[in-house]
Amino acid sequence: SQTIHQWPATLVQPVGSPLSLECTVEGTSNPNLYWYRQAAGRGLQLLFYSIGIGQISSEVPQNLSASRPQDRQFILSSKKLLLSDSGFYLCAWSFGGSLYGYTFGSGTRLTVV
Amino acid sequence: GQQVMQIPQYQHVQEGEDFTTYCNSSTTLSNIQWYKQRPGGHPVFLIQLVKSGEVKKQKRLTFQFGEAKKNSSLHITATQTTDVGTYFCAGPTGSQGNLIFGKGTKLSVKP
Repeated sequence: SQTIHQWPATLVQPVGSPLSLECTVEGTSNPNLYWYRQAAGRGLQLLFYSIGIGQISSEVPQNLSASRPQDRQFILSSKKLLLSDSGFYLCAWSFGGSLYGYTFGSGTRLTVV
Repeated sequence: GQQVMQIPQYQHVQEGEDFTTYCNSSTTLSNIQWYKQRPGGHPVFLIQLVKSGEVKKQKRLTFQFGEAKKNSSLHITATQTTDVGTYFCAGPTGSQGNLIFGKGTKLSVKP
């Protein structure tokens, strides 16, 4: 069966510090991978998605970037965090597009202070 | 751009009462999905509806997809405290068909 791992679970970072969140999927190959942000415990905003190694598409211009160095690894990064980057970051995978349900990781709660 | 809207934002019910959340899209959807997020947790896929007018049931949960494939609803019969959480609908958007989520309906159940 497929599993998705996301870490860390919580993170408190000072403004201006770098960020690296990692997500890995097991039990499948060539998954579609996604990074979402959820602010104030509500709506989900798609930040990045990837359909293959090295292929990253950004949905929203922001202070963040994403990379996919391996087939089942997706990384969310920032060089300098802003207060507005605080939120709940969720990684998800699917077999392909919207024809299949998304499976979300357990999320990272980021607080920028 | 395409929007997926959900109402109500919040719903407080007494245990045993019914609950319904509604989802409306600004465009026709090829399919619609529903997710549940427990407090402090992550969204979990519940179901996908594909056909016009489709109705699916999961125990006390009934999901409907509108005839025009632009709206959907989730109805819970006789709510229980385990139903607490936020329910999201989501539909595909763009050339890649990535999901766009509604803002969710937060359900609280008073025992």
